[in-house]
Amino acid sequence: GAVVSQHPSRVICKSGTSVKIECRSLDFQATTMFWYRQFPKQSLMLMATSNEGSKATYEQGVEKDKFLINHASLTLSTLTVTSAHPEDSSFYICSASTPGGTRETQYFGPGTRLLVL
Amino acid sequence: AQSVSQHNHHVILSEAASLELGCNYSYGGTVNLFWYVQYPGQHLQLLLKYFSGDPLVKGIKGFEAEFIKSKFSFNLRKPSVQWSDTAEYFCAGDTGRRALTFGSGTRLQVQP
Repeated sequence: GAVVSQHPSRVICKSGTSVKIECRSLDFQATTMFWYRQFPKQSLMLMATSNEGSKATYEQGVEKDKFLINHASLTLSTLTVTSAHPEDSSFYICSASTPGGTRETQYFGPGTRLLVL
Repeated sequence: AQSVSQHNHHVILSEAASLELGCNYSYGGTVNLFWYVQYPGQHLQLLLKYFSGDPLVKGIKGFEAEFIKSKFSFNLRKPSVQWSDTAEYFCAGDTGRRALTFGSGTRLQVQP
């Protein structure tokens, strides 16, 4: 099956610093990747849709200047949390779609747990 | 607005009991529906999916789901659960914009 990896799996940083999270599709090309955020005991909330070679599409309420997304290749998308604050602490999950038009299936990465002190 | 709802937030069953987790969606047109499972400490894994055709969909690990258009439902079932089925289960849907809308999740606890 399709495999998606994320790096790092866990990161602790000081308030005010920036953190970059990588999402890779290991055995398929993904023109589109998605970034979700999951708070403890809650469901996944879509943050943005990352398109290879173009700007990401952000959901309402998500600050695009704070959560920078770059989709430089068909197998890599990065999410950079800029000037992180404690309220940004969360579990960030990416997914990548296998090609299929309107019948796409998303495969999820293992997630990155961010703790901002 | 599109939405997916799961009404069972926490379910506790004994081994060998039958399972049914509810999922309802609110979309006006064509919808693709999915069930994902998240085992403790692990990432989301696809259990099964429905795009069209036979409304009874069989997935991995003995799970199945039935799409009932008239009820806007896509309930997940398993005839006999095992302790290893303890996990969080998420129903999700998309209406062609490709990003998934997730339900709030159901935590299943299977007691040996």
